[in-house]
Amino acid sequence: GDSVTQMEGPVTLSEEAFLTINCTYTATGYPSLFWYVQYPGEGLQLLLKATKADDKGSNKGFEATYRKETTSFHLEKGSVQVSDSAVYFCALIKSIAGGTSYGKLTFGQGTILTVHP
Amino acid sequence: DADVTQTPRNRITKTGKRIMLECSQTKGHDRMYWYRQDPGLGLRLIYYSFDVKDINKGEISDGYSVSRQAQAKFSLSLESAIPNQTALYFCATSDLKTGGKLFFGSGTQLSVL
Repeated sequence: GDSVTQMEGPVTLSEEAFLTINCTYTATGYPSLFWYVQYPGEGLQLLLKATKADDKGSNKGFEATYRKETTSFHLEKGSVQVSDSAVYFCALIKSIAGGTSYGKLTFGQGTILTVHP
Repeated sequence: DADVTQTPRNRITKTGKRIMLECSQTKGHDRMYWYRQDPGLGLRLIYYSFDVKDINKGEISDGYSVSRQAQAKFSLSLESAIPNQTALYFCATSDLKTGGKLFFGSGTQLSVL
């Protein structure tokens, strides 16, 4: 079945450091890929998405590029802030019914990011 | 007000008790989901419903049941709670227009003693 694997955490960085969180996936067909973020005490919210190969999703200074050849969707940010401290989840979803509908989201295990001043 | 509301936010119960977690949404979405979150395991799908008459098991449905009372309401029940069902439970919604994006509630922390 489909699966998503994230780099093991937790990740601890100083403010203004460069961030990479690795994500690889296993899926047949052409999934859409997502990064969700969970701030302390809150539910998950979408950070960025990419729907086809070579697409780059970006939001709030975060970026991720859909690499079909390496089945990866690594999250990057050039300069992290304390407010970026959260849990980050990589996820995929596949279209069904000829691309006109979507199935269910499959999540990675999550990576805890802590940013110190 | 939150678009996806879960009640209660926290619940402590004893082994063997029946528990119901409720979810309601004002987003008008036809699809609703229940996930549980455990440290190091990410989110795992328990049940999902693509419309009021459609209920599907997810990857970890054993020990759980659901009811879709209306388009806006989707409840999760633990018929006889056990300690390894201690987890953070999330309800989520979506529809065709969201392109696969899910909207999550704030979660229910359940502890089974």
